[in-house]
Amino acid sequence: QVQLVQSGAEVRKPGASVKVSCKASGYTFTGYYIHWVRQAPGQGLEWMGWINPNNGDSNSAQKFQGRVTMTRDTSISTAYMELSRLRSDDTAVYYCARDPPGGSGSYEFDYWGQGTLVTVSS
Amino acid sequence: SSELTQDPAVSVALGQTVRITCQGDSLRSYYASWYQQKPGQAPVFVISAKNNRPSGIPDRFSGSSSGNTASLTITGAQAEDEADYYCNSRDSSGIGVFGAGTKVTVL
Repeated sequence: QVQLVQSGAEVRKPGASVKVSCKASGYTFTGYYIHWVRQAPGQGLEWMGWINPNNGDSNSAQKFQGRVTMTRDTSISTAYMELSRLRSDDTAVYYCARDPPGGSGSYEFDYWGQGTLVTVSS
Repeated sequence: SSELTQDPAVSVALGQTVRITCQGDSLRSYYASWYQQKPGQAPVFVISAKNNRPSGIPDRFSGSSSGNTASLTITGAQAEDEADYYCNSRDSSGIGVFGAGTKVTVL
């Protein structure tokens, strides 16, 4: 069965970086985009970006450009999201989600990781 | 950047029908997909970009779209449907966006 298993909770100080992993199993990793979504405490979902595991191409929301790096290691079917220059308002649960290929070009996230809580505090 | 607008909250009597809407210019070009989220849980995919129901989602959930508006309808709402619901779409640059979410209360 399809699973996305994320790394554990992290605590960082302001200005530091964090790298969250998302290990895929149960399907062909390179056949589906991986998106990253975050949710601050008590807030809604916020789309961050995607990576194409097949070739490493990525795209991100403008507010994260220059701070977010999305990578993958196809040998272990794992995607990574690194966020740098952390601020207190980056405190959130970070999710990875799989996007199946489809002719419409629209996004849909059929499987989600369990989420990784990143806390930024001095 | 594109935006998607959702009503913050709606309520529905047990067994009745509720429609949740999502409006945005990007919906004229791209489909919306819908997600249910209960407290402390990851979102669950409930309606696909072409208004289909994923496997395992009850048939009381349905989706539709017209112009710049996408809708999620729950026909015969159950207590377990009480949750936050989010729509998602994208723009022509591949930038994704979520609506702010609609909190559904089942009375």
